[in-house]
Amino acid sequence: QSVLTQPPSVSGAPGQRVTFSCTGSSSNIGAGYAVHWYQQLPGTAPKLLIYGNSNRPSGVPDRFSGSKSGTSASLAISGLQAEDEADYYCQSYDYILSCWVFGGGTNLTVL
Amino acid sequence: EVQLVESGGGLVQPGGSLRLSCAASGFTFSSYAMSWVRRQASGKGLEWVSSISGSGGSTYYADSVKGRFTISRDKSKNTLYLQMYYLRAEDTAVYYCAKEAGTGGVFHDAFDIWGQGTMVTVSS
Repeated sequence: QSVLTQPPSVSGAPGQRVTFSCTGSSSNIGAGYAVHWYQQLPGTAPKLLIYGNSNRPSGVPDRFSGSKSGTSASLAISGLQAEDEADYYCQSYDYILSCWVFGGGTNLTVL
Repeated sequence: EVQLVESGGGLVQPGGSLRLSCAASGFTFSSYAMSWVRRQASGKGLEWVSSISGSGGSTYYADSVKGRFTISRDKSKNTLYLQMYYLRAEDTAVYYCAKEAGTGGVFHDAFDIWGQGTMVTVSS
């Protein structure tokens, strides 16, 4: 299983707001390391969505937002659109393992 | 345009070897740490495989590939490599190369640029 825990699936109707959780521990998120989020559309490479817990790269709509608290982080999508259907992954650094760690990913279904 | 293009994937028998390449363009290649990340075909998520510093002097590996895979880079060719030996069925995956966003070294920044991926299938 993954060092960072994500729910396998999330769903929502168009226009709704959905959130994705990412739970870590005191050796990664809880130690203060940044959390990054990626979106992977079917058949494509991952794309950086949020970096440094809550920052959006240029070109990413402000419908996407990130936050971090304690040993967990969250990604929120507001105004859900059909094209948001994808897998979403969180990433952080773990100082005990001395490596990048990813969550198992959450599959978003837009109803 | 900043771009990463992987190549070298294919079908290989268990115990075999393969070398993946990642051609970089549009940025100062030697200034950035680079990594390989894979997504296994079995539906599992992303898995970090290996990283290398901008100078190439520091390398890091996931436990699952340590001793079997070697990451390297060629500044003159702006190319990242992953040499894979003793391949196993569980190494079957799409392999992506990725660039760290900042110049602070390995494990400092998010991956802002990804290649399109190259498929590696280990099967007899």
